Amino acid sequence: EPEVTQTPSHQVTQMGQEVILRCVPISNHLYFYWYRQILGQKVEFLVSFYNNEISEKSEIFDDQFSVERPDGSNFTLKIRSTKLEDSAMYFCASSIRRGGYTFGSGTRLTVV
Amino acid sequence: DAKTTQPNSMESNEEEPVHLPCNHSTISGTDYIHWYRQLPSQGPEYVIHGLTSNVNNRMASLAIAEDRKSSTLILHRATLRDAAVYYCILRDVENYGGSQGNLIFGKGTKLSVKP
Repeated sequence: EPEVTQTPSHQVTQMGQEVILRCVPISNHLYFYWYRQILGQKVEFLVSFYNNEISEKSEIFDDQFSVERPDGSNFTLKIRSTKLEDSAMYFCASSIRRGGYTFGSGTRLTVV
Repeated sequence: DAKTTQPNSMESNEEEPVHLPCNHSTISGTDYIHWYRQLPSQGPEYVIHGLTSNVNNRMASLAIAEDRKSSTLILHRATLRDAAVYYCILRDVENYGGSQGNLIFGKGTKLSVKP
């Protein structure tokens, strides 16, 4: 069964550093998403991406965040200057227009 | 402004059917009803989705009320592996690009399965 692949599975970074989280969506999917989940809290929508541009973003997705699809397969989330409160699980997902979302297994980001 | 209402928790016995309810009284005509689950320490997992008719797949069945204001996710024989948080979410596919077009997770129903 096709999978969404996320790397790395765990990243530790110092406050103020830039991080890039990587995702390989399912090959025939055209819609891409990032979500995050702070420990013990609910899954929060960050951003959706279609046709090489952001379709929708939440209030969490401020100027410190950016997304990119640098080639035909990868989809990345960049956090420019990490803060302690950015520590969370970050999930990438992809879908077709009317289909269900397939989520990756996540990247645990720890900011120290 | 949650669009769905689910019980906070439910319990089931192993190998028995489980009916997880969801109310969505303000559903629009273009809202698909999606169900996802999240096992402990894992990412959300797609379970099933539908628009008007009941749907079946290898994981579960989705029963949609005739007026579409409620739905029920049915796990036919619960196993210990089905213990998870189950989310019922509306997704408006015709307004993709707006907030209604994305999956917005609520608190879901935490299902416990007893051996």
